[in-house]
Amino acid sequence: NAGVTQTPKFQVLKTGQSMTLQCAQDMNHEYMSWYRQDPGMGLRLIHYSVGAGITDQGEVPNGYNVSRSTTEDFPLRLLSAAPSQTSVYFCASSPTSPGGVNTEAFFGQGTRLTVV
Amino acid sequence: DAKTTQPNSMESNEEEPVHLPCNHSTISGTDYIHWYRQLPSQGPEYVIHGLTSNVNNRMASLAIAEDRKSSTLILHRATLRDAAVYYCILAGRGYGGSQGNLIFGKGTKLSVKP
Repeated sequence: NAGVTQTPKFQVLKTGQSMTLQCAQDMNHEYMSWYRQDPGMGLRLIHYSVGAGITDQGEVPNGYNVSRSTTEDFPLRLLSAAPSQTSVYFCASSPTSPGGVNTEAFFGQGTRLTVV
Repeated sequence: DAKTTQPNSMESNEEEPVHLPCNHSTISGTDYIHWYRQLPSQGPEYVIHGLTSNVNNRMASLAIAEDRKSSTLILHRATLRDAAVYYCILAGRGYGGSQGNLIFGKGTKLSVKP
């Protein structure tokens, strides 16, 4: 079982560069989301998607874009990287939104991004 | 957004039970109580969740107060592998968006001593 797969695991970017963090899940989950985690902090929600073609903003969306063209994939794009975006990024998927019965969320192993 | 209060850190001895408390006095009637944990250098993993009744699974038990304003995650026999940050999260429509999302606080860092 692959679950939620994130690539790359590590990345160093220069300020102003763009890149896409990849997230794929093989569980046919409708719900996917992106979080960032800064040192000593909990996870903060960046963007989420309730199904293919539908995305919405979370707590900290500025500087990030997402799209959801398939159920399996939910890439996160950094348009112009800034040092403040240095963080660990986690992707998650679940069958439905968390406020229900069958809502266990599965998280990827994370992408550690450094912007210099 | 959802507000939960957890101790910043707790210590436990290996093979002893651990009770991790969480206060959520503003919980509404349809909010679920979720617990996730994050082992070092890993993504969070689901532990358990419940609505009103106590819940048990292979990892832990969740005890929910009758008024639902607090809950306790119980690890019956702590192992070294249980050392992690444990997050108590209220989940329901409106949290982090109209459909509901998991909104994480800082959690409780559990240390397990051999």
